[in-house]
Amino acid sequence: GAGVSQSPRYKVAKRGQDVALRCDPISGHVSLFWYQQALGQGPEFLTYFQNEAQLDKSGLPSDRFFAERPEGSVSTLKIQRTQQEDSAVYLCASSSLGGQTEAFFGQGTRLTVV
Amino acid sequence: EDQVTQSPEALRLQEGESSSLNCSYTVSGLRGLFWYRQDPGKGPEFLFTLYSAGEEKEKERLKATLTKKESFLHITAPKPEDSATYLCAVQEYQAGTALIFGKGTTLSVSS
Repeated sequence: GAGVSQSPRYKVAKRGQDVALRCDPISGHVSLFWYQQALGQGPEFLTYFQNEAQLDKSGLPSDRFFAERPEGSVSTLKIQRTQQEDSAVYLCASSSLGGQTEAFFGQGTRLTVV
Repeated sequence: EDQVTQSPEALRLQEGESSSLNCSYTVSGLRGLFWYRQDPGKGPEFLFTLYSAGEEKEKERLKATLTKKESFLHITAPKPEDSATYLCAVQEYQAGTALIFGKGTTLSVSS
């Protein structure tokens, strides 16, 4: 596709439910990043992949958060046993380079935990 | 303590009224400073990367500058379509790939 695609755009989950958020990066992009953005805040780094390797997961807030990119393209962010504090917009970005220069962001998935 | 602080939080300008947004940072080793624009309901859109003090970059009505402690985003003769939230982020050598974002400045330009 022409840009980074994320699905679903909106997700409402009941507390305790597991959710899976999908990111389709720009074709051929080596690097993929996940960020969490709370209302009125800047994005906060969650994790980074280079191809299929998860090179940095220092930003994942707890062991309920898990990300994968098994074939080096599509990535999934999974949140188990969702809690209200998980409510946020989850942003995915991809880059053709090894770093973050000119990373292209998707529109995000807005997760609301009720 | 916040490592990236943006000011003001909100800025209202008349069309054609030039101004500057500030991003101050406290990191031990700056690898790069990034400016993004974010429209409501959208992901951030990359604008500039600055790497060293004294560096400047321009794009249309926007000009970004960098010193050892802060960066400015100058907006010359803004138009209503420049209304958005402008995000500043830094990347440290020691922190790997993570970008540390500020909270942003929300700019509103009225005609």
